Amino acid sequence: EVQLVESGGGLVKPGGSLRLSCVGSGFTFSSYSFNWVRQAPGKGLEWVSSISSSSRYKYYADSVKGRFTISRDNAKNSVYLQMDSLTAEDTSIYYCARSRQEGIPVTMRWFDPWGQGTRVTVSS
Amino acid sequence: SYVLTQPPSVSVAPGQTARITCGGDSIGTYSVHWYHQRPGQAPVVVVYDDSDRPSGIPERFSGSNSGHTATLTISSVEAGDEGDYYCHIWYSRRDHPVFGGGTSLTVL
Repeated sequence: EVQLVESGGGLVKPGGSLRLSCVGSGFTFSSYSFNWVRQAPGKGLEWVSSISSSSRYKYYADSVKGRFTISRDNAKNSVYLQMDSLTAEDTSIYYCARSRQEGIPVTMRWFDPWGQGTRVTVSS
Repeated sequence: SYVLTQPPSVSVAPGQTARITCGGDSIGTYSVHWYHQRPGQAPVVVVYDDSDRPSGIPERFSGSNSGHTATLTISSVEAGDEGDYYCHIWYSRRDHPVFGGGTSLTVL
């Protein structure tokens, strides 16, 4: 079964840091791109960051650029999101989602599957 | 930046057809994907590349895309179809995905 499992969420104070992890199983991890998408309480989906299969291409939303860093370890079937300088506006459920890629620079295709999400709360 | 516009809500009686639109400038030049999110659950893709269905998604779900509007059509709507639906493209000019604001589907 193809599966993504996120972890690392929690309660953190403003200005603090968290590192989210996403572990994939049931497929050839190194062949896919991965994406982080977040959803604030009662709100819609907001893309955060994407990383290509080889890590050559990394993309960030303007709202997190310079604060968040995406990375992956294909040997561990894992993708990470290092989140620094967190603010209350970063409070969300963070989803990891797999996608195929094509072209140079890469285009991410549809997101499938998505993990169950990990909750991040930034509050003093 | 590129904006995808969806109606906030759509209501339909069981057995009827629901149409959810996604508007964007020349969206017909992009591949549009649609996701269904039930409360408390992660999104699931129901249509990709404008009109293709993943395995396991009923034929009741279909999509189209032309000009400035993409449409997700759900025929013979069932109670289990309730939830939020999001459209999504990869905006190649800025190398990032864009999601629509989401549409809440209510089955009356």
